[in-house]
Amino acid sequence: SQELEQSPQSLIVQEGKNLTINCTSSKTLYGLYWYKQKYGEGLIFLMMLQKGGEEKSHEKITAKLDEKKQQSSLHITASQPSHAGIYLCGADFANTDKLIFGTGTRLQVFP
Amino acid sequence: DVKVTQSSRYLVKRTGEKVFLECVQDMDHENMFWYRQDPGLGLRLIYFSYDVKMKEKGDIPEGYSVSREKKERFSLILESASTNQTSMYLCASSLLQGQYGYTFGSGTRLTVV
Repeated sequence: SQELEQSPQSLIVQEGKNLTINCTSSKTLYGLYWYKQKYGEGLIFLMMLQKGGEEKSHEKITAKLDEKKQQSSLHITASQPSHAGIYLCGADFANTDKLIFGTGTRLQVFP
Repeated sequence: DVKVTQSSRYLVKRTGEKVFLECVQDMDHENMFWYRQDPGLGLRLIYFSYDVKMKEKGDIPEGYSVSREKKERFSLILESASTNQTSMYLCASSLLQGQYGYTFGSGTRLTVV
C-alpha cells in the first residue's frame, strides 16, 4: 500500500551485524504492528506500538514509534541466521482493527 | 496452542472453477480477515468480518465473496477463478480492539491454470 512504505526492500547482512528497517506512513496512525514471515508461510506477530515515542524490545529486536506516530523502525542487534525472513509493518489508521501492510523487507543473514 | 488453520497449503484449479478457501480459528476471535500476497505488492485486504454473518469489503474484493456462518469459520470464495487470482492467500483473526495483533494461518498458495 502506498499509505505505508517500507525501506529497504531487501537487506543482506553478515551474521553479528546490526540492522534497521523503516516503516513510514503518509498519515498519523492509531497502531503500528510488526510481523515476521518465513518464506512461504504465515506471519508471526512481533510487536505492537501505539503511543508516540513508544519503544518495545523482545530478545534482540527493538521497535520504536516516533512522536508524530508516522514512522517506526525495527532494529536487530547482532543478527543471526534465525532472523532471516520477510519483515512487514502493518498499520491501523483509524482504530478499526483493519490493518494495511507495507510491502515488506526481505532480510538475509549470512555466516 | 491457539491457531488459525487454512484447509490447504497448495491448490491448483482451472480457469472458471468455483474455488473455496476455508479458514478456521480456535481462539474465539471476533475479527477475521482474508488477504492475498503478491511479490512487490505486499498484503492486500480482500474481505473482513467483525462478527458472524457480517462482512465488509477490503481494498480488492472484485472476483471474491466470503461467508461467515459460524464465529470460528471464514470462507473465501472465488466465484469463477481466473489466472490473475493466482496468489498466496492468508487468513487472519484477532480480538476486537486487539492489542496483540493478528494471528495468521500458514497460507494457501493457489495456482489457477
